[in-house]
Amino acid sequence: EVQLLESGGGLVQPGGSLRLSCAASGFTFSSYAMSWVRQAPGKGLEWVSAISGSGGSTYYADSVKGRFTISRDNSKNTLYLQMNSLRAEDTAVYYCAKYYCSSTSCYMDVWGKGTTVTVSS
Amino acid sequence: AIQMTQSPSSLSASVGDRVTITCRASQGIRNDLGWYQQKPGKAPKLLIYAASSLQSGVPSRFSGSGSGTDFTLTISSLQPEDFATYYCLQDYNYPFTFGPGTKVDIK
Repeated sequence: EVQLLESGGGLVQPGGSLRLSCAASGFTFSSYAMSWVRQAPGKGLEWVSAISGSGGSTYYADSVKGRFTISRDNSKNTLYLQMNSLRAEDTAVYYCAKYYCSSTSCYMDVWGKGTTVTVSS
Repeated sequence: AIQMTQSPSSLSASVGDRVTITCRASQGIRNDLGWYQQKPGKAPKLLIYAASSLQSGVPSRFSGSGSGTDFTLTISSLQPEDFATYYCLQDYNYPFTFGPGTKVDIK
């Protein structure tokens, strides 16, 4: 069964750092790009970041560029999101998602259950 | 970044109703658009990819159409389990962007 399991969320003070992890199972992790998507309380979905299967290409939303770093360890089947200089507006549930691409189309087909990040003093 | 808009932002409907949600991109995105359903406290679920392709396991009452800048999600006969929030997502280029969502609730 294809599964994604996020961890690492918690309460952090403004300006602090946190690293999220997403453990993947049931598929060949290195073959797929991965994304992080977040949802602030009572708000809509916001795409945050993506990384290619090899890890050689990374992409970020303007709202997190320069503060967040996405990475992956294909030997451990794990995706990461290093979050620095955290702000109150980064408070959200963070989801990781597998990004499947065929010859004609791409889409995020598998999602984790999410991990909650709260930035507050 | 490409901006995505959705309409309506919310709607009330009855079981059996036909429901249509529209999504518009600020520039052409070919057919690089997906529709996701989210229920409270749950992760999003992919319904439609490439604007009109039904994801495996999703009921056939869901359908998508459109290309370029204008897209539509249709639920042909609303079922009780369909009350949720629906989001479109463009993955034409980075940064990907979601629409603001359409909440479908019970009339």
